[in-house]
Amino acid sequence: KNQVEQSPQSLIILEGKNCTLQCNYTVSPFSNLRWYKQDTGRGPVSLTIMTFSENTKSNGRYTATLDADTKQSSLHITASQLSDSASYICVVSEYGGYQKVTFGTGTKLQVIP
Amino acid sequence: DADVTQTPRNRITKTGKRIMLECSQTKGHDRMYWYRQDPGLGLRLIYYSFDVKDINKGEISDGYSVSRQAQAKFSLSLESAIPNQTALYFCATSDERGSGVGGYTFGSGTRLTVV
Repeated sequence: KNQVEQSPQSLIILEGKNCTLQCNYTVSPFSNLRWYKQDTGRGPVSLTIMTFSENTKSNGRYTATLDADTKQSSLHITASQLSDSASYICVVSEYGGYQKVTFGTGTKLQVIP
Repeated sequence: DADVTQTPRNRITKTGKRIMLECSQTKGHDRMYWYRQDPGLGLRLIYYSFDVKDINKGEISDGYSVSRQAQAKFSLSLESAIPNQTALYFCATSDERGSGVGGYTFGSGTRLTVV
């Protein structure tokens, strides 16, 4: 069964600090991996997408990395802001199927002043 | 206006009642989805639709039904609500490239409580 595991489950950091969120997956064959940000009471919003051949992708202060060999991804947030407080969800798609998408349970990040 | 609008935002209903959650979109996407989110679990697919005449069950369709009234409208029904259907429900859309490349556009969710 395809699985996507995220760590840590929750994280509290001081404003201005950096942090890194982890995602390990067993999805095969692999198509792509997305990171979503979900604010409380809102739907998830896509931050980055990475395909097999991509190692790094940036979106402002967010940088995602992918190691397709070890099936690991990370999301690095630089110079955190209070507005970064949210859940971050790793989503992995299986090659060949639109519906074969597996969601991680998310990392809940809280940025405090 | 939001690209994907869900109504109601919050709903409390009693066990055994029939309830409908509605979703409308202005993205012009053909593909629409209903997901359920529970604490500690990832989003799980209930139903999906590729067009008005195409409805497919997801991994947790038991106890739910859907209707695709138009390209822009996709509703989810709980025929006889039970407490373990208490959850946050999301409608999502995607373009023809599917969720893999184009990604999903999610609504803001409906928080359903069954008492």
